[in-house]
Amino acid sequence: GAGVSQTPSNKVTEKGKYVELRCDPISGHTALYWYRQSLGQGPEFLIYFQGTGAADDSGLPNDRFFAVRPEGSVSTLKIQRTERGDSAVYLCASSPVGGAGYTFGSGTRLTVV
Amino acid sequence: RKEVEQDPGPFNVPEGATVAFNCTYSNSASQSFFWYRQDCRKEPKLLMSVYSSGNEDGRFTAQLNRASQYISLLIRDSKLSDSATYLCVVNGDNNDMRFGAGTRLTVKP
Repeated sequence: GAGVSQTPSNKVTEKGKYVELRCDPISGHTALYWYRQSLGQGPEFLIYFQGTGAADDSGLPNDRFFAVRPEGSVSTLKIQRTERGDSAVYLCASSPVGGAGYTFGSGTRLTVV
Repeated sequence: RKEVEQDPGPFNVPEGATVAFNCTYSNSASQSFFWYRQDCRKEPKLLMSVYSSGNEDGRFTAQLNRASQYISLLIRDSKLSDSATYLCVVNGDNNDMRFGAGTRLTVKP
């Protein structure tokens, strides 16, 4: 597609549930990034994929968070046993090569109740 | 210490004013620098890259001081439409991007 697509745009889930957030990057972009943004804060780095592999997952806050990109295109961010503190906007971005300016998707607003 | 630090503002300026934002970064090995703009409840969008020699794009001027690990953004002749949050961005060790918390600008008539 023309831009980075994220689904769903909004997700409300109960504490303790499992959620999956999807990102479809710009076609041909090898680098894909996940960020989390809380109100009044800048995007917080979570994980960076170069192709199918995670080049840097140092931002994942704990082992409840996991992300995959099995075919080097679409990526899924998975959160187990969600907590209220996980509520945030989850942003995905892609770029043609790592380190160049990104294009962001419009994000998934996750609310854990 | 945060990797990228910005004055959160808010900056409230009248139309036509000149306003400057500053940013410092901690990773001396960083090579890529950007300013992003984020409107309320929208995703960040690339405003401009920042080059070592400084660069200008219309009313916007970006400067980089590697020795001081400092980046700036100057906006001249502010417009109402410039109201947004401006995010300073620096690449990390693995070429991922690290964002500051943003500086909020409101331009008033």
